[in-house]
Amino acid sequence: EAGVAQSPRYKIIEKRQSVAFWCNPISGHATLYWYQQILGQGPKLLIQFQNNGVVDDSQLPKDRFSAERLKGVDSTLKIQPAKLEDSAVYLCASSGFNEQFFGPGTRLTVL
Amino acid sequence: GENVEQHPSTLSVQEGDSAVIKCTYSDSASNYFPWYKQELGKGPQLIIDIRSNVGEKKDQRIAVTLNKTAKHFSLHITETQPEDSAVYFCAASIGNAGNMLTFGGGTRLMVKP
Repeated sequence: EAGVAQSPRYKIIEKRQSVAFWCNPISGHATLYWYQQILGQGPKLLIQFQNNGVVDDSQLPKDRFSAERLKGVDSTLKIQPAKLEDSAVYLCASSGFNEQFFGPGTRLTVL
Repeated sequence: GENVEQHPSTLSVQEGDSAVIKCTYSDSASNYFPWYKQELGKGPQLIIDIRSNVGEKKDQRIAVTLNKTAKHFSLHITETQPEDSAVYFCAASIGNAGNMLTFGGGTRLMVKP
């Protein structure tokens, strides 16, 4: 089966600019997650969707981050405006009933 | 909330030796403990998981043990091979695998040929 797809794979922006990431989960997976992985650390959950509803967004910095999952399939994560500390890999994952499958991530560098 | 500590942060072993990575968790309600392997430029990949109703689980050269009383769990890799070199993460969650995962800080394992 096809895995979790993410794009772009790399993005370099200047601080205060905006950026968006896209995720296409494994077909049929109802749950979708966005994680932030800062270099040298474990992934940290930003937001979890069940179909097109938000289950948990307690760790999402809502003043600058937003995410949506229209129609319960693809999802986009946006940062506006970006700060230097947002430099990280943004991982998307999806799950059916069991394990979470991760995409390759988008590496964001904020200059 | 849950807090997961992982040790060591780096581990270097000779090919064929065993490697052990340890994690502790803080929330006694956690009942699902997966281990992920992350290779450079890739997302984490599940290699083994254990639930709180089981004390040990083995899959070929990989095993995981869980001590609920002490709130710690460990990953054991036997007969290590160079392709085992990667960053390994432990995680914990309450409920099933689809619930929020809290990750440890990671262990960089280097297997020297």
